[in-house]
Amino acid sequence: DIQLTQSPSFLSASVGDRITITCRASQGISSDLAWYQQKPGKAPEVLIYDASTLQSGVPSRFSGSGSGTEFTLTISSLQPEDFATYYCQQCTNYPRTFGQGTRLEIK
Amino acid sequence: QVQLVDSGGGVVQPGGSLRLSCAASTFAFSTYGMHWVRQTPGKGLEWVAFIRYDGNIKYYTDSVKGRFTISRDNSKNTLYLQMNNLRVEDTAVYYCAKDHYSGSYDSWGQGTLVTVSS
Repeated sequence: DIQLTQSPSFLSASVGDRITITCRASQGISSDLAWYQQKPGKAPEVLIYDASTLQSGVPSRFSGSGSGTEFTLTISSLQPEDFATYYCQQCTNYPRTFGQGTRLEIK
Repeated sequence: QVQLVDSGGGVVQPGGSLRLSCAASTFAFSTYGMHWVRQTPGKGLEWVAFIRYDGNIKYYTDSVKGRFTISRDNSKNTLYLQMNNLRVEDTAVYYCAKDHYSGSYDSWGQGTLVTVSS
């Protein structure tokens, strides 16, 4: 199985900050990576697929990059609604696997 | 707007069974693969099972093989997860999710809570 390791697991930041979350895969997955945002009590929502393609309707302050084994999710200027938990997921083979999550909280 | 409505969760004793349902609407259900994903309370996400659009290909995570069965009824626009021989560690919120061509999940149900406890 492909393991995904996110860092950091917890991040405290302020509105307006630029933040980056990293996802490392245990083996190469080309660009087959998605990022999700999850708020408490809600289902996850896809932000980015194919490592860098923004899902329709997602604000442009979100961006993704990377290929192979290292990927990043960047939020260019944090808004109050962005404080949530973020997960990466590999989409290259089965079993699909997720990172352990990064909890983003207001400083 | 794609709509997925999960149902069927509840409290069951270890060794018991439950069948989850996911009612789909406002999209061509019969042309999309579907997944079940679960989330342990307070913890992360775990993919559980996949079924191809026509039901002819199915995949499962190792921990549920032989106990869970994913199925679909395209005439009813409904996805199912039959869960047998449930274990305490199967306790989670279960979500159905619609497959996107990229392999990601572009729509999710609201989730249904399964609690396995004696």
